[in-house]
Amino acid sequence: SYELTQPPSVSVSPGQTARITCSGDALPKQYAYWYQQKPGQAPVLVIYKDYERPSGIPERFSGSRSGTTVTLTISGVQAEDEADYYCQSADSSGTYVVFGGGTKLTVL
Amino acid sequence: EVQLVQSGAEVKKPGESLKISCKGSGYSFTTYWIGWVRQMPGKGLEWMGIIYPADSDTRYSPSFQGQVTISADKSISTAYLQWSSLKASDTAMYYCARHGGNSDKWFAPWGQGTLVTVSS
Repeated sequence: SYELTQPPSVSVSPGQTARITCSGDALPKQYAYWYQQKPGQAPVLVIYKDYERPSGIPERFSGSRSGTTVTLTISGVQAEDEADYYCQSADSSGTYVVFGGGTKLTVL
Repeated sequence: EVQLVQSGAEVKKPGESLKISCKGSGYSFTTYWIGWVRQMPGKGLEWMGIIYPADSDTRYSPSFQGQVTISADKSISTAYLQWSSLKASDTAMYYCARHGGNSDKWFAPWGQGTLVTVSS
């Protein structure tokens, strides 16, 4: 089955830039989406269609892609950004949705 | 405001059946898909399947095909996830979310989640 691979954890200091990657063979053909999930809360969409930002999401969140890897970048990380982040896409046929394993962002 | 409100937490015994719900409001319920996502304790998100309430077109993840049933009642803007015989391994938080569909596969917003505990 198709998989998306994320690093288990990323750590940054406040004000620094956090980059969370997501790799998958079908990413060149399918859009990527990113979700933020804080403890005890439901996930929230923070990036859609690779780099678009929903209304209400701070500008410090951005998305990019290069080949089979997409990246969520959080510029000027704040303590409130500490959360789990999940990428999501679909298999090459577009039939099946898939989530990455998640990355725990720690703000030191 | 677009909102999805899920039914409350459930505690069940192995072998019992269960149907949980997800009611949409603030948008046209029949023009978006609804998806279901499982999150086992301390684990990541797993896509279970999606349904298009307008015609009940349903697609399942291979991992969940035959294990659960997804349905919807468009007359009351509600989607459902059901089990005929629960197992301890079904213990998890289950989320519903509005889904963009074939052209844009986002999930937003999400319901608050329904915690299902299966224990003898």
